[in-house]
Amino acid sequence: AQRVTQPEKLLSVFKGAPVELKCNYSYSGSPELFWYVQYSRQRLQLLLRHISRESIKGFTADLNKGETSFHLKKPFAQEEDSAMYYCVFGAGSYQLTFGKGTKLSVIP
Amino acid sequence: EAGVAQSPRYKIIEKRQSVAFWCNPISGHATLYWYQQILGQGPKLLIQFQNNGVVDDSQLPKDRFSAERLKGVDSTLKIQPAKLEDSAVYLCASRHPGHPTGELFFGEGSRLTVL
Repeated sequence: AQRVTQPEKLLSVFKGAPVELKCNYSYSGSPELFWYVQYSRQRLQLLLRHISRESIKGFTADLNKGETSFHLKKPFAQEEDSAMYYCVFGAGSYQLTFGKGTKLSVIP
Repeated sequence: EAGVAQSPRYKIIEKRQSVAFWCNPISGHATLYWYQQILGQGPKLLIQFQNNGVVDDSQLPKDRFSAERLKGVDSTLKIQPAKLEDSAVYLCASRHPGHPTGELFFGEGSRLTVL
């Protein structure tokens, strides 16, 4: 069963513009959700997790149980933010289910 | 610390041939994962090991895929015989038992092309 949905395959924004990468999940309980990022020619890596409510590289993501969403946001996009972003659902035994990903392109 | 090591980085084979990928996780990481990432899709879990035991292999096509982690460290993923649809990047990841949930460390991946 598809646990996370990322509706946009590609998102292009201008430098300095706000960014919102959408993620919706399907789960009746309390989910564990994460955002992973893959920069060009680099390894897939954890960006942030919902439980820590942290801001990493200016990105934040709030879990909205009413809308079953976990959108990734940044107020001002930078060129170095260009990358593939994956919304990830965590289940028991530390398994992770990845969404299909959104490619963010920041236009100078 | 050294990251997750994978080899080979690239492999091209004919369909029906066999191939093997190797992974060396970060030292001390008890949990090891193999993911398959087909072009345009997110990584899909194939198998998860805890030390040398299998935790989950429900999505591993067992008629052609096999994986082992005999001494609880290195792991090998084998495909025999390969099909065209096996063309993908095979990612290995590991996790330390003391690290927060969801924090996996990934290797660079092994890109397989089946002709």
